[in-house]
Amino acid sequence: AQKITQTQPGMFVQEKEAVTLDCTYDTSDQSYGLFWYKQPSSGEMIFLIYQGSYDEQNATEGRYSLNFQKARKSANLVISASQLGDSAMYFCAMRVGGYSTLTFGKGTMLLVSP
Amino acid sequence: DTEVTQTPKHLVMGMTNKKSLKCEQHMGHRAMYWYKQKAKKPPELMFVYSYEKLSINESVPSRFSPECPNSSLLNLHLHALQPEDSALYLCASSGSGDEQFFGPGTRLTVL
Repeated sequence: AQKITQTQPGMFVQEKEAVTLDCTYDTSDQSYGLFWYKQPSSGEMIFLIYQGSYDEQNATEGRYSLNFQKARKSANLVISASQLGDSAMYFCAMRVGGYSTLTFGKGTMLLVSP
Repeated sequence: DTEVTQTPKHLVMGMTNKKSLKCEQHMGHRAMYWYKQKAKKPPELMFVYSYEKLSINESVPSRFSPECPNSSLLNLHLHALQPEDSALYLCASSGSGDEQFFGPGTRLTVL
């Protein structure tokens, strides 16, 4: 069975600072993908970044980077230079093997203050 | 066009009503999904359609009935719902890439 753990129910950060959202995963499969989604209060799930299990380099997308440590089974999201619009719920998710379904963590609520 | 659209945005219905949620994508994706999300919880998978055929039903009660009329459309027919079915219903699609693209959701309230 696959499992995603997000241990931080809530995080606070000041504008322009960097923040790391933690995610650990558990799977016995060698082939898997890790995702981060942002969900503002409006409800839409916005895809942020993806890391494949065989990718040797950490994924980056603009201000988002994924700190992938395979041996520790962690896939932390780093947001650099936080903005007020980054305030949202953030979900880590995993897809295993060839299956298209996602397993989600419980989420971390990020609040960015001025 | 990397957009998944959902209608309606909000829906209020009584327990005896019949209503439908609609989802549309024009990205040529062959897999489409319905999720249910309660407040402050992660999305829970309900159904997966692959190439217009139902491939996964996560033991969803029969008062929820999915339909995939064509490769771009996904419907969720609702009948005799309970108040505990009130939630945000999210549709998603995926293609040959890895990520799922989500729509904005329908906020459903059952009275």
